Amino acid sequence: KAGVTQTPRYLIKTRGQQVTLSCSPISGHRSVSWYQQTPGQGLQFLFEYFSETQRNKGNFPGRFSGRQFSNSRSEMNVSTLELGDSALYLCASSLAGGPNEQFFGPGTRLTVL
Amino acid sequence: GNSVTQMEGPVTLSEEAFLTINCTYTATGYPSLFWYVQYPGEGLQLLLKATKADDKGSNKGFEATYRKETTSFHLEKGSVQVSDSAVYFCALTGTGGSNYKLTFGKGTLLTVNP
Repeated sequence: KAGVTQTPRYLIKTRGQQVTLSCSPISGHRSVSWYQQTPGQGLQFLFEYFSETQRNKGNFPGRFSGRQFSNSRSEMNVSTLELGDSALYLCASSLAGGPNEQFFGPGTRLTVL
Repeated sequence: GNSVTQMEGPVTLSEEAFLTINCTYTATGYPSLFWYVQYPGEGLQLLLKATKADDKGSNKGFEATYRKETTSFHLEKGSVQVSDSAVYFCALTGTGGSNYKLTFGKGTLLTVNP
């Protein structure tokens, strides 16, 4: 079974631009979560989607948004990029969310210049 | 809220040495506990987990026991290899309304020298 895939793997943007990251979960998994990883803040939860609905959201500004499609693929969008948005963005999928085991993708490395 | 505290690194060991990475947590109820490993340039891989008190998770020679009385989940391995060099994260999912997300520790960088 294929793992979680994320595209693109690397991205360079400038301040003020917007960016869209994509995540394809493991086949059959309906829950997709997004995390931001930075050296200073570590791993922080962004949001979780289940059956095309955002079920939970972390403490991030409204510039961070996401969506999930009927095939469970998910995208996250960051508008008006700031230097501090430079991070590794990780997507994780699980069968149904909750305390179920989450499987992570390789991440998208976003650099904001 | 929930939190995880793990020993700060970096930890440098020689091959075949004994490894312990301490992890303690704060959470209400009975969270599920996890250790994830991140190799350079990669995402996180689940190493082991425990879902109730006194459970022992084990994988690839690594072990951790869910200790409710000390709110701990220390990672151990009897004999490390160079290939174990990575960043290790302790994490939990809470109960009830916070069971949807993983709360991570800061991570511990392990370097194993031949």
